[in-house]
Amino acid sequence: QSVLTQPPSVSGAPGQRVTISCTGSSSNIGAGYDVHWYQQLPGTAPKLLIYGNTNRPSGVPDRFSGSKSGTSASLAITGLQAEDAADYYCQSYDSSLLWVFGGGTKVTVL
Amino acid sequence: EVQLVESGGGLVQPGGSLRLSCAASGFTFSSYAMTWVRQAPGKGLEWVSAISHSDGTTYYTDSVKGRFTISRDNSKNTLYLQMSSLRADDTAVYFCAKGPSGNYYPSVWGKGTTVTVSS
Repeated sequence: QSVLTQPPSVSGAPGQRVTISCTGSSSNIGAGYDVHWYQQLPGTAPKLLIYGNTNRPSGVPDRFSGSKSGTSASLAITGLQAEDAADYYCQSYDSSLLWVFGGGTKVTVL
Repeated sequence: EVQLVESGGGLVQPGGSLRLSCAASGFTFSSYAMTWVRQAPGKGLEWVSAISHSDGTTYYTDSVKGRFTISRDNSKNTLYLQMSSLRADDTAVYFCAKGPSGNYYPSVWGKGTTVTVSS
């Protein structure tokens, strides 16, 4: 069981908006630690998608956005595209467990 | 271009040892914290260990403490993970990752090397 909880799967039609939640606690996200998001395409290494809660690295499309509030964070994908089908992971720091990942969310484009 | 290339994975018997290496290029290796993350077959990501860029401070997840040792050779631009007393649940793809300046979260990842612990 991951310290950061994500839904196992989300799906949407092309062009739709989907969101992925990442729920933590007072020892990680709620303590003010940053949340980062990673995209893992099938058979490849993860790639940094969002860092510091809301920031996109160079080259990441602006249809990806991140937010954080209280003990939770969210990743939104607007204008869903077929190439967005992947696994997505949130990550933060925990005062007891150090660096932790969410369990991952599989995004399916219908 | 930042590149991280892992090597050293393979098949090892339970209780055995293995040393993973991660060759870094395209950046000043000695200036950045480095991390190992693993992914068991069909499972999610798990942070394993990290090492600071400056004083060599090391960090481990509880399940590998006392069995794994992270180290770095800044003269060779190489990160290592010495693994001993290996168990079946250590079977995974092991990724090496670079932290951004002043931080530890993985910002650039290698392609990974596979470790299989089985008799």
